[in-house]
Amino acid sequence: KQEVTQIPAALSVPEGENLVLNCSFTDSAIYNLQWFRQDPGKGLTSLLLIQSSQREQTSGRLNASLDKSSGRSTLYIAASQPGDSATYLCAVGRGGSEKLVFGKGMKLTVNP
Amino acid sequence: GAVVSQHPSRVICKSGTSVKIECRSLDFQATTMFWYRQFPKQSLMLMATSNEGSKATYEQGVEKDKFLINHASLTLSTLTVTSAHPEDSSFYICSAALREEAFFGQGTRLTVV
Repeated sequence: KQEVTQIPAALSVPEGENLVLNCSFTDSAIYNLQWFRQDPGKGLTSLLLIQSSQREQTSGRLNASLDKSSGRSTLYIAASQPGDSATYLCAVGRGGSEKLVFGKGMKLTVNP
Repeated sequence: GAVVSQHPSRVICKSGTSVKIECRSLDFQATTMFWYRQFPKQSLMLMATSNEGSKATYEQGVEKDKFLINHASLTLSTLTVTSAHPEDSSFYICSAALREEAFFGQGTRLTVV
């Protein structure tokens, strides 16, 4: 059974710091890994999708890497801003028609 | 990215009544949609997989007679919470995938009083 872990559960940092969010999974037989952002009381916004054949993806200040062999992914946020405050979730899946397995998320607070 | 719209965003209902939640893929067709439930400070738990034109697949422990799912078209799936009770109060979110990437609706906050 696939299990996804995100540690720590919460992080509070001053504005401007570069951040690394960690995600680990137990079964390396994944098709893809996706990072999401969730604001309080809202749905999930897709940030980055990494296919199993890829090692990283970048979008603006965000960079996500994937190491299937070690069962790890990291989300790097450069020059953090207060607007980055949200809960970040990672999820692994076996493809579009298959379900995603989520971590519990990491609540990020960026203080001005 | 693709857009998934969920309605309503918030609903309050009386115990014993039924509530319908809609999930629409606005700019793409989705033969499969997913329904999740999220408890406070917890991760998303998959409830069921909605399949267009066929019966939904429910996760273990989810009552199919209580959480009715209908996926009548390629752009619409509905979740009906029947005979709702206070313990059904939760945040419900749907998703659909386009080219292997999952997109989520805005979520529905259900409160049963």
